[in-house]
Amino acid sequence: EVKLLESGGGLVQPGGSLRLSCAASGFTFTDFYMSWIRQPPGKAPEWLGVIRNKANGYTTEYNPSVKGRFTISRDNTQNILYLQMNTLRAEDTAIYYCARWVGGPHYWGQGVMVTVSS
Amino acid sequence: DVVMTQTPVSLSVAIGQPASISCKSSQSLVGTSGKTYLNWLLQRPGQSPKRLIYLVSKLDSGIPDRFSGSGSETDFTLKISRVEADDLGVYYCLQGTHFPHTFGAGTKLELK
Repeated sequence: EVKLLESGGGLVQPGGSLRLSCAASGFTFTDFYMSWIRQPPGKAPEWLGVIRNKANGYTTEYNPSVKGRFTISRDNTQNILYLQMNTLRAEDTAIYYCARWVGGPHYWGQGVMVTVSS
Repeated sequence: DVVMTQTPVSLSVAIGQPASISCKSSQSLVGTSGKTYLNWLLQRPGQSPKRLIYLVSKLDSGIPDRFSGSGSETDFTLKISRVEADDLGVYYCLQGTHFPHTFGAGTKLELK
């Protein structure tokens, strides 16, 4: 069974940093693209970026809305996906999801809340 | 960015009746591979989104065949042949062809 479990969310001040983790299990992690998606309260989801699989060199693509501030990485020995978020703003407040990506977000985690506020 | 325009914003349907949601993209979603990466997702209240359909018309495993997807290029439709109570929530279309990938604003399906 595919499982994705996010962690690392919480309250952070504007300008601060946070690293989210997504523990993956139930599938061969290195075979799959993985994405981060966020959803502000009451709004539609927003795709943040993707990290490709081993066959495609683990390269990354980002939404311009977060490029330069957010970094996606993966630990393929521990099957963990990461999202490093820097210079956080109030508008980054959202539920953050990781997803296994096959032409689209096939499996989602349960999400983790990030609140940026002073 | 590719803009995904969903209509209607909300839909009130009686159990057992059909429902249809439209999604139009601001540019063709046919990729260089010839594939069209148009997805439909359902987000039930308090839950993570769940994908129903990928590549315009392919149902994900476990999704009942009451759901169907159709369309091409820039014009896509999700149809539910007979709405059930479990179908309530917000439906999103998502294009995975062009970067950045983009979602529609959502269509809320409610019971009449």
